[in-house]
Amino acid sequence: NAGVTQTPKFQVLKTGQSMTLQCAQDMNHEYMSWYRQDPGMGLRLIHYSVGAGITDQGEVPNGYNVSRSTTEDFPLRLLSAAPSQTSVYFCASSTDWGPYNEQFFGPGTRLTVL
Amino acid sequence: GQQVMQIPQYQHVQEGEDFTTYCNSSTTLSNIQWYKQRPGGHPVFLIQLVKSGEVKKQKRLTFQFGEAKKNSSLHITATQTTDVGTYFCTNNAGNMLTFGGGTRLMVKP
Repeated sequence: NAGVTQTPKFQVLKTGQSMTLQCAQDMNHEYMSWYRQDPGMGLRLIHYSVGAGITDQGEVPNGYNVSRSTTEDFPLRLLSAAPSQTSVYFCASSTDWGPYNEQFFGPGTRLTVL
Repeated sequence: GQQVMQIPQYQHVQEGEDFTTYCNSSTTLSNIQWYKQRPGGHPVFLIQLVKSGEVKKQKRLTFQFGEAKKNSSLHITATQTTDVGTYFCTNNAGNMLTFGGGTRLMVKP
């Protein structure tokens, strides 16, 4: 199993550009989520999904869209990048959406918006 | 949603010294999870606590859940340079898993 994979590893965007961060997992996990981590800070939840076709907003959803058409994939779209979105983005998955499940994290995407 | 606060934010220790980080909530938690993130890495699950007063050990790491389920601690005995990283506790609010701000541990060899 590859676990949780994220692409790209690094990305530089100009203000106003759009892009999609990819996340995939091969563990047949129902629950997937996206976090952002700013320097020296904790992780903040952007969006999450409890299963294919179902998504919901987390703590900081503005400026981001998600969709979950398959169990395996959970892409995060930046509609119009802003410097405030410079961050490290982590995708995570767990067996299902209950609160007692270990989260498996991907390696992260380091995004810089100029 | 409810927040968990972690203290301290940073801790420098000499190798061999002990280290403790605390996680506090204003409301009762259903459970708490602890994660470790090495510098430049991603968070990795360490342990989960569910029962009031629960204590779990992993080698030199001791995890405790408070009797009122409003606080938790992670204690490392005789730190090593491999313990360097940021330790996070979590809180579950329905389907949302939120993280405390973390405690960054630095170990001087």
